[in-house]
Amino acid sequence: SQQGEEDPQALSIQEGENATMNCSYKTSINNLQWYRQNSGRGLVHLILIRSNEREKHSGRLRVTLDTSKKSSSLLITASRAADTASYFCATAPSGGSYIPTFGRGTSLIVHP
Amino acid sequence: EAGVVQSPRYKIIEKKQPVAFWCNPISGHNTLYWYLQNLGQGPELLIRYENEEAVDDSQLPKDRFSAERLKGVDSTLKIQPAELGDSAVYLCASSSLATDTQYFGPGTRLTVL
Repeated sequence: SQQGEEDPQALSIQEGENATMNCSYKTSINNLQWYRQNSGRGLVHLILIRSNEREKHSGRLRVTLDTSKKSSSLLITASRAADTASYFCATAPSGGSYIPTFGRGTSLIVHP
Repeated sequence: EAGVVQSPRYKIIEKKQPVAFWCNPISGHNTLYWYLQNLGQGPELLIRYENEEAVDDSQLPKDRFSAERLKGVDSTLKIQPAELGDSAVYLCASSSLATDTQYFGPGTRLTVL
């Protein structure tokens, strides 16, 4: 089963625009991570946000976490064609062993 | 620093044949993961190792899948016999005990005919 669910499933924007994708999850977490996957490649870690954090930045990426709503968002500002990829969130459930759970991903296309 | 290495990158076999995938994690990473990723889906954990011990293999179909991580470094995932539904990308990832951040290999794309 997949706990994290990304929304929207697909997103198409023009270069320079901002892209926002969301992740919802079901159980309490220790942290939430966002990954990017280019076509035919492995996943690349983008950013990790802990359950006691509300917002985190890394370059053009901004991640927020709302534990009361069990949701997170990833904002990519000033998108580039190279940002075209699938984006996944992965949750680390609190308590017990770490069993990472990925969502189905958001497919982002940035048109040049 | 070399990343996670997987081989082969692509494998085409006929159903009922055996197949094996190999993974070499990042040096010093104690934790190793095997995932299965179907088209349009996120990775699904098959098995997680801490050093040479399989600490979570609840999602591994044990009737046909097996894995090993001898000496706590390289790992091999085997399917015997393969079925049509096993066609997918098999991803290996590793992490250090100090962090949950996983580093993924490029994956092995398996096609079962």
